[in-house]
Amino acid sequence: GDSVTQMEGPVTLSEEAFLTINCTYTATGYPSLFWYVQYPGEGLQLLLKATKADDKGSNKGFEATYRKETTSFHLEKGSVQVSDSAVYFCALTLYNTNAGKSTFGDGTTLTVKP
Amino acid sequence: DAGVIQSPRHEVTEMGQEVTLRCKPISGHNSLFWYRQTMMRGLELLIYFNNNVPIDDSGMPEDRFSAKMPNASFSTLKIQPSEPRDSAVYFCASRGTGGTEAFFGQGTRLTVV
Repeated sequence: GDSVTQMEGPVTLSEEAFLTINCTYTATGYPSLFWYVQYPGEGLQLLLKATKADDKGSNKGFEATYRKETTSFHLEKGSVQVSDSAVYFCALTLYNTNAGKSTFGDGTTLTVKP
Repeated sequence: DAGVIQSPRHEVTEMGQEVTLRCKPISGHNSLFWYRQTMMRGLELLIYFNNNVPIDDSGMPEDRFSAKMPNASFSTLKIQPSEPRDSAVYFCASRGTGGTEAFFGQGTRLTVV
């Protein structure tokens, strides 16, 4: 079946450090890929997305590129801030098969220290 | 739009009691999802509706759990009888026709004592 594997956390960085959170996927078709972010006490919210191979999603300084050859969608940010501390989820959705069900990774907790 | 609205935000109940969680999706969205989040198991999809019809309920843990969507603007998730292991944060999410991302509510934190 479809699956998403994320880098295990927690990840602790100092402010202004470079961030990478790895995400790889397995899917039976051609999924759309997403990164969601969850701040404490809140629901998940979309951070960025990419719908086809080689697309780059970006938002708030975060980027991720849809790599079909390596089945990856790694999240990066050049300089993290304390306010980026949250849980990050990688997800995929297949719209032509599996009735459009989304599959989420286990989440990676990021803590940024001043 | 107010987004996906869940109620209540917090629920504390005694073991054996019936619990009903409510969700109002974003107007015009035709897909609705119920998720459960715990530290041990992460984010789990419980059930998924499309145009008010349950498409996949394979994630519903057991017969004590049931979900309904009587119309496009309302869904419920019911647990009867509740057990302490049902304690979790339950999220509802909705997605529009042709839309690619899901929009999540703020969740209901359920504690069964």
